[in-house]
Amino acid sequence: LAKTTQPISMDSYEGQEVNITCSHNNIATNDYITWYQQFPSQGPRFIIQGYKTKVTNEVASLFIPADRKSSTLSLPRVSLSDTAVYYCLVGPDTGRRALTFGSGTRLQVQP
Amino acid sequence: DAMVIQNPRYQVTQFGKPVTLSCSQTLNHNVMYWYQQKSSQAPKLLFHYYDKDFNNEADTPDNFQSRRPNTSFCFLDIRSPGLGDAAMYLCATSRIQGSSYEQYFGPGTRLTVT
Repeated sequence: LAKTTQPISMDSYEGQEVNITCSHNNIATNDYITWYQQFPSQGPRFIIQGYKTKVTNEVASLFIPADRKSSTLSLPRVSLSDTAVYYCLVGPDTGRRALTFGSGTRLQVQP
Repeated sequence: DAMVIQNPRYQVTQFGKPVTLSCSQTLNHNVMYWYQQKSSQAPKLLFHYYDKDFNNEADTPDNFQSRRPNTSFCFLDIRSPGLGDAAMYLCATSRIQGSSYEQYFGPGTRLTVT
């Protein structure tokens, strides 16, 4: 499975855009990139997923360059409730191996 | 609402006393996962079931066992809990195995070992 590297922590203020970049240099052709969000004492929650270029949903955008060796999760206009840990996962579309979580990025949003 | 349910939410057990954590799902998903998450760490996959096919992670201790009697239920058995097994245990499901399929997580069971 592709190894992922993310910043350990980030700080932001309410109303700002936050971009969290994940490096995955050895991503395979059939790997998807998925981001999860986890609040304290809760299970992780799916945010967004992509394969290439850009994906946008009501929560976030995911930017993936052509070489797919990195990806950037973009959270527009964060609020205090976006304070959480964000995990980038990379893994094959199918197969017997399940995904493994990397170390994650702890985002702290200040008022 | 369809969901993943874990019981109990908090479990206290004694050192060496077997304990069972349960997970049920109303999503009718084929895959069920068990993760261990210690404080300030990422979830660590212990094992998963694809239907009745059990897949154990190489570094999961033998002390941890699992049962999936039917599609809806999955159990995590810790045969002889040690102090190092105190953690949050997360159950998750996905429709099909593969990264393009979203995992749905339960709220977790926090295990304390005394």
